[in-house]
Amino acid sequence: GAGVSQSPSNKVTEKGKDVELRCDPISGHTALYWYRQSLGQGLEFLIYFQGNSAPDKSGLPSDRFSAERTGGSVSTLTIQRTQQEDSAVYLCASSLAGSGSINEQFFGPGTRLTVL
Amino acid sequence: AQTVTQSQPEMSVQEAETVTLSCTYDTSESNYYLFWYKQPPSRQMILVIRQEAYKQQNATENRFSVNFQKAAKSFSLKISDSQLGDTAMYFCASLGGSNYKLTFGKGTLLTVNP
Repeated sequence: GAGVSQSPSNKVTEKGKDVELRCDPISGHTALYWYRQSLGQGLEFLIYFQGNSAPDKSGLPSDRFSAERTGGSVSTLTIQRTQQEDSAVYLCASSLAGSGSINEQFFGPGTRLTVL
Repeated sequence: AQTVTQSQPEMSVQEAETVTLSCTYDTSESNYYLFWYKQPPSRQMILVIRQEAYKQQNATENRFSVNFQKAAKSFSLKISDSQLGDTAMYFCASLGGSNYKLTFGKGTLLTVNP
């Protein structure tokens, strides 16, 4: 079956613009995660969804970042008024279940965001 | 809180030889899990091997094995018979009691030379 997909693969935007990053998890996976991978900070957890709700948003760096998940499937990460420090690779992962069980997180190929 | 440290930013190895990547971690959790992920230039993170902390036996997956030293909080990855396709970034990661938030090290860039 298909793996986790993300779009766009690459996004170049100007400082101050809003961007939307999309993640399609593996069908049937109830848990979805966003991570950010940047040169200086490594891989950082952003947010975790169980179904459509987000029990943990603690990793979102500022109120310019938001995410939603609809239908227990597709998730969108939105960054408003982008800044140069937002430049990074945004990785999405999904798993069969989240808290309370150990399930392998399957990762997508990421979206490389460049803010000029 | 958990921390994961990879002290080797880059390593190289000749094809068919063996290489060991180091990882140390710190956690206050009594039950936790440790992972090695591989990230080739395609950016796709791939799980290489996992270890449950309550298991004393070291995990193995074909050419990949770990040396898990619980008291020392050390979790190294050994790659035997290195292949060109093993060239990638390798990340050590931990998963604690929350069971969903992976904590990653900074990564080790491994280059396998022909």
